[in-house]
Order: sequence, then C-alpha cells, then structure tokens
Amino acid sequence: QQQVKQSPQSLIVQKGGISIINCAYENTAFDYFPWYQQFPGKGPALLIAIRPDVSEKKEGRFTISFNKSAKQFSLHIMDSQPGDSATYFCAAGYTGGFKTIFGAGTRLFVKA
Amino acid sequence: EAGVAQSPRYKIIEKRQSVAFWCNPISGHATLYWYQQILGQGPKLLIQFQNNGVVDDSQLPKDRFSAERLKGVDSTLKIQPAKLEDSAVYLCASSPLRGASSYEQYFGPGTRLTVT
Repeated sequence: QQQVKQSPQSLIVQKGGISIINCAYENTAFDYFPWYQQFPGKGPALLIAIRPDVSEKKEGRFTISFNKSAKQFSLHIMDSQPGDSATYFCAAGYTGGFKTIFGAGTRLFVKA
Repeated sequence: EAGVAQSPRYKIIEKRQSVAFWCNPISGHATLYWYQQILGQGPKLLIQFQNNGVVDDSQLPKDRFSAERLKGVDSTLKIQPAKLEDSAVYLCASSPLRGASSYEQYFGPGTRLTVT
C-alpha cells in the first residue's frame, strides 16, 4: 500500500517534443506529490509538486496532471531540451513531512 | 544559502569493514533524512530526525546501521559491518520544520559506497 509505481523506466524524446512520465500510488492518505530531477553525481532536486486538491499545476515547461480517482499523476515536459536529460523521480508523501515514498525513476534522454 | 553538505563523496571498503558518513544540513533546517539509493532505484528512507530525535527508523537495518544527530545539527550514519548489498549512494536531505516548504526536501550530493 506504500508503493509508488513509475513508468516508463527510460524515455527517448526528440528536442522540442513532449516527455510524459506516469506514476500511480495506492495509499489514499498521501497528500503531497512531488517530482524530483537528478543529474549524474548529484542529489535529487525538487522540480514541481502538487497537492490532491488541484488537478493540474504548471511551472514553466513542466506540468503535473493529477487524477485523484484513478490514483495517478504524471509529469509533462513541454518543448523538451537536451539539458532536460536526467533521471526523474515521482514521489508521494505527507505534508507532515513523513515517509516520502519514491518511484523507481525514469531516465530521460532528449536527442538534439 | 549553502546547500546540504556530505562527506566523503566516495568510499570503497571491503565487506565486514565499518564506514561512517557525515551530513551537515541547511542552516536552520530541523528535519534531517538519510536515504539509501541503490543503482537504478529511487531513494529509500533509512531514518528521519526532527531536531535530535528520531521520527522514523522503521527501514533502518539496526543490526548493522546506526545514526545519530547529537546536537540537532549535523548527523553521522554508520555501517558496521558492511555487506556487499550495502553498495549504494547514501543521500542526506533536510527540510525546515515549519512553513510552506516544510515538506520540501533539499538533498546533498550523496556518498557513493562500494563494498568489495
């Protein structure tokens, strides 16, 4: 019940294309859904996050879509750039800050 | 604002040896987390501190792993004795106790441990 399932494992997108990464969770008690970006040799960095009371959040080229009834959320990267090539992790947690569960990650490669 | 500092960045040890990792969180951050990230997987929480108290250590293998945060600031994670399966990146993260960003975790660069 604490799992967060992420797909795909890897993704190759042409420059300028849209990258889409999907996640599903089981525990309806989660109330905070962040996405982290990790470059090789670095720690994950918070990219964008959403609470379950909204269905979409957009920050620049990054958008989270959230479907509470399906217990699914996704990250869309518009106009993907080679600099976006990194590993992306979805996560689910609580605004109390406890027990954040991470997905297995998606390795994104954007071809120039 | 300085980020989360970790040392060493890399460590290679033989199985059954001991090793310690150090973390200095962002100044003023009361909550500190240690994660284990095995290659190809997402970070897995090992232990969470709030100030110098343990909030969650349910996934810490306590027969070999220990962690402390004596003065509510920096923290040490120790493995004794190490096993081959402990090879991973150990990430430290911190977050403020209150405010809109109290659940945003700021990660350090990690320590890559190789056990041979």
